[in-house]
Amino acid sequence: QQQVKQSPQSLIVQKGGISIINCAYENTAFDYFPWYQQFPGKGPALLIAIRPDVSEKKEGRFTISFNKSAKQFSLHIMDSQPGDSATYFCAGGVSGTYKYIFGTGTRLKVLA
Amino acid sequence: NAGVTQTPKFRVLKTGQSMTLLCAQDMNHEYMYWYRQDPGMGLRLIHYSVGEGTTAKGEVPDGYNVSRLKKQNFLLGLESAAPSQTSVYFCASSYRDRPNYGYTFGSGTRLTVV
Repeated sequence: QQQVKQSPQSLIVQKGGISIINCAYENTAFDYFPWYQQFPGKGPALLIAIRPDVSEKKEGRFTISFNKSAKQFSLHIMDSQPGDSATYFCAGGVSGTYKYIFGTGTRLKVLA
Repeated sequence: NAGVTQTPKFRVLKTGQSMTLLCAQDMNHEYMYWYRQDPGMGLRLIHYSVGEGTTAKGEVPDGYNVSRLKKQNFLLGLESAAPSQTSVYFCASSYRDRPNYGYTFGSGTRLTVV
């Protein structure tokens, strides 16, 4: 199976709160899990990525948590800001190949 | 450094018409991709190319054709447009052996087929 399931479809968070987006994958061969951020009218841009040999990766306010046994990973946005309002896509793939499977996206709105 | 440039940005077609979407990248990426984005369905791969002169089908290739005659360009063609092809189309490119750099996406082409 190639699917990457993403939830929730949409999310509203107050400024300063924590935004959490979850993804689950099926293909155990996947070894690279990037997150992309897309602002309206723009293409997605790489935000942060993780490999399954680590359980957590943090870059500024953005953290990926990875649970290999459950085949799940999540994006946490700490101290969420209105500028974080965007659509977020998780993805999974195999290093050395040339295509990733994307989740269906989460539209995040951070209220001022 | 322009990155990935898509043209046109918007287009309205009548059913049965044909058109070509253009994608150009200036990063010397080996791989290029065409995706379509539809509400609730995320990004779905139409076709991709791992090098000049090579193309392959992705997840939803029916109704589309592609060509990559030059390393920097990847063209997506619709031979006979259908309303089901109304979507936002994104071109992307990536290095062959640097997965940590991820994909670089263009800003998209919004296509409406009436």
